[in-house]
Amino acid sequence: GDSVTQMEGPVTLSEEAFLTINCTYTATGYPSLFWYVQYPGEGLQLLLKATKADDKGSNKGFEATYRKETTSFHLEKGSVQVSDSAVYFCALSDRGDTNAGKSTFGDGTTLTVKP
Amino acid sequence: NAGVTQTPKFQVLKTGQSMTLQCAQDMNHEYMSWYRQDPGMGLRLIHYSVGAGITDQGEVPNGYNVSRSTTEDFPLRLLSAAPSQTSVYFCASSYSRQNNEQFFGPGTRLTVL
Repeated sequence: GDSVTQMEGPVTLSEEAFLTINCTYTATGYPSLFWYVQYPGEGLQLLLKATKADDKGSNKGFEATYRKETTSFHLEKGSVQVSDSAVYFCALSDRGDTNAGKSTFGDGTTLTVKP
Repeated sequence: NAGVTQTPKFQVLKTGQSMTLQCAQDMNHEYMSWYRQDPGMGLRLIHYSVGAGITDQGEVPNGYNVSRSTTEDFPLRLLSAAPSQTSVYFCASSYSRQNNEQFFGPGTRLTVL
């Protein structure tokens, strides 16, 4: 079945440091890929997405590129802020008939940014 | 739009009690799902629905029932609560198979004593 493997955390960075959170996936179909962010006490919210190979999703300075050849979707940000402290989830959703409506999530990576 | 709403936000149950977690969305989304979130285990799919009247089991369905009589509502029923069901529960919806990013509710934190 489908699976998502995320870089284990937690990750602690100083403000303005470069961020990379690795994500690789296994899927039988041709999935859409997502990064979701969860702030304390809240539900997950979409950060960015990509729907086909070589697509780059971007939002709020975060970027991730859909790499079909390496089955990866690594999250990057050039300069993190304290307000980026949160839990980040990589996820996939297969658009095929058998998996419609379901998403598979990684275990989440906790990011703490210190001033 | 209110988006995805969940009630209650917090609940404490005793072992063996039953209850229903409510979930509603006002975005006319076709797909709805229930997940549980446990520390270090990400989100695990409990049940999901691809439309009114259609539900299916996810990864961890035991001890939970769902029904979907309308497009808007997707309640999750705990039949006989157990301490292993202590978790945070999230309801999510998505528009279609092609437009499939998930919109999440704020969650219900459930403790079973």
